[in-house]
Amino acid sequence: NAGVTQTPKFRVLKTGQSMTLLCAQDMNHEYMYWYRQDPGMGLRLIHYSVGEGTTAKGEVPDGYNVSRLKKQNFLLGLESAAPSQTSVYFCASGGTGYGYTFGSGTRLTVV
Amino acid sequence: AQKITQTQPGMFVQEKEAVTLDCTYDTSDPSYGLFWYKQPSSGEMIFLIYQGSYDQQNATEGRYSLNFQKARKSANLVISASQLGDSAMYFCAMREAQISSGSARQLTFGSGTQLTVLP
Repeated sequence: NAGVTQTPKFRVLKTGQSMTLLCAQDMNHEYMYWYRQDPGMGLRLIHYSVGEGTTAKGEVPDGYNVSRLKKQNFLLGLESAAPSQTSVYFCASGGTGYGYTFGSGTRLTVV
Repeated sequence: AQKITQTQPGMFVQEKEAVTLDCTYDTSDPSYGLFWYKQPSSGEMIFLIYQGSYDQQNATEGRYSLNFQKARKSANLVISASQLGDSAMYFCAMREAQISSGSARQLTFGSGTQLTVLP
């Protein structure tokens, strides 16, 4: 089925550990986004990409890095996890129309 | 200033009744789009409805309609004949065109409204 796949779905990290979240889309979309969702704050944009090889900062980029080496993949990295990064992370992709496709989310807990 | 404001953290509605979820927005861009998403307890984001700033008529999708009042900068979601399955978090979002600055077409979300439908 066409869509956005996020891996992993759940993860528990210790403070200071690193990890990479993978987002893969098979719709040939140019635009890809990483959001974090926290209670009472909606979804906030971390980083985004307007095409292969390009990335840019969103609203809350500190503590995260991203890469888009292939058009279909958008990776979100945490180099040194902190408890403040406990959140639900969503990847989304969009094309030229108004439709966006969201992944099912990654629930990350940093202890 | 907040770009998207949802002032109702929680709402209750009786089954089969209609409910309006409020959303106001702030933008100086003449071209923008407004979205509503539903997030059930399972967590996925489900697209409900879209309204473009130049659309003359209010958008409708089945039981969902968007009450678009451009001068007031409001884009309220109306759900008619509520069902138990409508219980979920609802997010209003906006995309500004910003064509001249090379917009990344990102969505800006409000804080959400938790809707509970009572039997």
